[in-house]
Amino acid sequence: DTAVSQTPKYLVTQMGNDKSIKCEQNLGHDTMYWYKQDSKKFLKIMFSYNNKELIINETVPNRFSPKSPDKAHLNLHINSLELGDSAVYFCASSQFPVSDTQYFGPGTRLTVL
Amino acid sequence: DQQVKQNSPSLSVQEGRISILNCDYTNSMFDYFLWYKKYPAEGPTFLISISSIKDKNEDGRFTVFLNKSAKHLSLHIVPSQPGDSAVYFCAATSTTSGTYKYIFGTGTRLKVLA
Repeated sequence: DTAVSQTPKYLVTQMGNDKSIKCEQNLGHDTMYWYKQDSKKFLKIMFSYNNKELIINETVPNRFSPKSPDKAHLNLHINSLELGDSAVYFCASSQFPVSDTQYFGPGTRLTVL
Repeated sequence: DQQVKQNSPSLSVQEGRISILNCDYTNSMFDYFLWYKKYPAEGPTFLISISSIKDKNEDGRFTVFLNKSAKHLSLHIVPSQPGDSAVYFCAATSTTSGTYKYIFGTGTRLKVLA
């Protein structure tokens, strides 16, 4: 009965490949997020969806495309993977955007070789 | 441009003593602050928050203090327990800017020694 789940937990792939990370929340929240934690441990917001509408779209290469098929799911697709994409990607959800507790998934460690 | 800074990457404290974790911010528009705790191989979990209309918020062993004039907040853990050993992130946001995002610090690794 995990609140926010991500798959896969680990992802190792070659440069140039396309990969997806899936996220699901069973908390009934309206807002979901993708964060990237890089090697310097910065946890940076990438995208946020509220009721399936994109509300945050940070300066992220357009190789990254989020997709929210419904309020409970927010997937992240990455095209043409590069070495610099190696990081831990966290999905999170909250009832409302901002001023509310965000519940994080366990993270997906992506390694691009 | 690091708007939220945690200048101490690590901190060691004896069990039973007080742990004080610090966080500084530069954006005067920030008016809501949170602390998250993170264990290895897990996502961050919410710990405690404070709005800028307060200068203190307490929840059990955890107290967050906010000094708006200094743009500084701190998390006090009393008494510290070995299970508190984790990485602690502070985060800040502006509830009036409409940006809907939190800015996180780089974290402080707390080790509580038994």
